[in-house]
Amino acid sequence: DQQVKQNSPSLSVQEGRISILNCDYTNSMFDYFLWYKKYPAEGPTFLISISSIKDKNEDGRFTVFLNKSAKHLSLHIVPSQPGDSAVYFCAASSAGGTSYGKLTFGQGTILTVHP
Amino acid sequence: DTEVTQTPKHLVMGMTNKKSLKCEQHMGHRAMYWYKQKAKKPPELMFVYSYEKLSINESVPSRFSPECPNSSLLNLHLHALQPEDSALYLCASSQERLAGVQGIQYFGAGTRLSVL
Repeated sequence: DQQVKQNSPSLSVQEGRISILNCDYTNSMFDYFLWYKKYPAEGPTFLISISSIKDKNEDGRFTVFLNKSAKHLSLHIVPSQPGDSAVYFCAASSAGGTSYGKLTFGQGTILTVHP
Repeated sequence: DTEVTQTPKHLVMGMTNKKSLKCEQHMGHRAMYWYKQKAKKPPELMFVYSYEKLSINESVPSRFSPECPNSSLLNLHLHALQPEDSALYLCASSQERLAGVQGIQYFGAGTRLSVL
């Protein structure tokens, strides 16, 4: 039972354009969402997060949008740069239950930004 | 500073060996985590420590034994592993075991483990 899904295994974008990475979730108990970036042979690096009480959070070139009714979030990167090429993981956590604070990850999307 | 340090970076061990993975953070974080990541898969949670006490064990086989000697250190003791245990082992820490800003997990670079 995959509670967090990233349906696009890969995305290819031209440098300078917008990259949009999507994530869907099924567990309505999730109330905090995060995006991580991962380069090969490195650990995931935290990028940006959003609480379920908000619908948008922005940090520089990165913006995360949350549509709670659709159980959907997206990460926008504008403008995209070749250094953004990596695997992007969406993750979710809940404040309640015995597994509070536990991160549930999506399968990841490989982003390639071409010069 | 959001640095989590893991040693060693690479480890090769036989199925009868005993080895340990180490993780250290000096951010004053009170929650620490072990994850296992196979190629082209997301990280899978193994263990969670909160205030040096084991909070979550995701039904991990007993050949993996975690230890939290103090609030800055986390060890993973390995014994009688199988070849299918070969993976990238990641350590993470967060201020608190929470959902929210204080629960944001920061990861180390991982230990690449090969079991022969």
